[in-house]
Amino acid sequence: DAGVIQSPRHEVTEMGQEVTLRCKPISGHNSLFWYRQTMMRGLELLIYFNNNVPIDDSGMPEDRFSAKMPNASFSTLKIQPSEPRDSAVYFCASSLGATGAEKLFFGSGTQLSVL
Amino acid sequence: KNEVEQSPQNLTAQEGEFITINCSYSVGISALHWLQQHPGGGIVSLFMLSSGKKKHGRLIATINIQEKHSSLHITASHPRDSAVYICAVHRAQKLVFGQGTRLTINP
Repeated sequence: DAGVIQSPRHEVTEMGQEVTLRCKPISGHNSLFWYRQTMMRGLELLIYFNNNVPIDDSGMPEDRFSAKMPNASFSTLKIQPSEPRDSAVYFCASSLGATGAEKLFFGSGTQLSVL
Repeated sequence: KNEVEQSPQNLTAQEGEFITINCSYSVGISALHWLQQHPGGGIVSLFMLSSGKKKHGRLIATINIQEKHSSLHITASHPRDSAVYICAVHRAQKLVFGQGTRLTINP
């Protein structure tokens, strides 16, 4: 398996533009997580899905952020409109379950810069 | 106070030294993860443990549930071990992360 695949690797955009980040989890994994990493706050959970259903989105900073998982092999994280404070590295991860007792597999991340 | 505290924040050592990174947490958890983030940014899961000790190669992770404390040890450290090591605890179906320990091993 190719592992968790994220795209794009880097995204530079201007304030106000819509940004869409994409993730393909490992085949067979039924939990998918979106994390954001910044220097100030470290890694933070934004949202996670179990069997394609959003379970906890309490980490989503505000209504400008939305995430979808239309099927077991694809998820998107959208920011509209984007702001400079959204600049961060966004990681997608997947696992076989969501109890916490499963190993997490991370994608390479998307480095987002909002100018 | 953060729910997950790591120490030290930064650690520099010489090749071959024995390394210990500590993680303390303040809430009940179901599991604790140790992650490694290399300078290129990729994150790799090293260990997931809920009790006792686990070993993989030169890496050893221990956890004391009663004391709410975990340690990550690296024996015979090598420059390729240079990375940020992140402790994360699993509770209420989500991971809470420590701020990470930046480890630099000099040849």
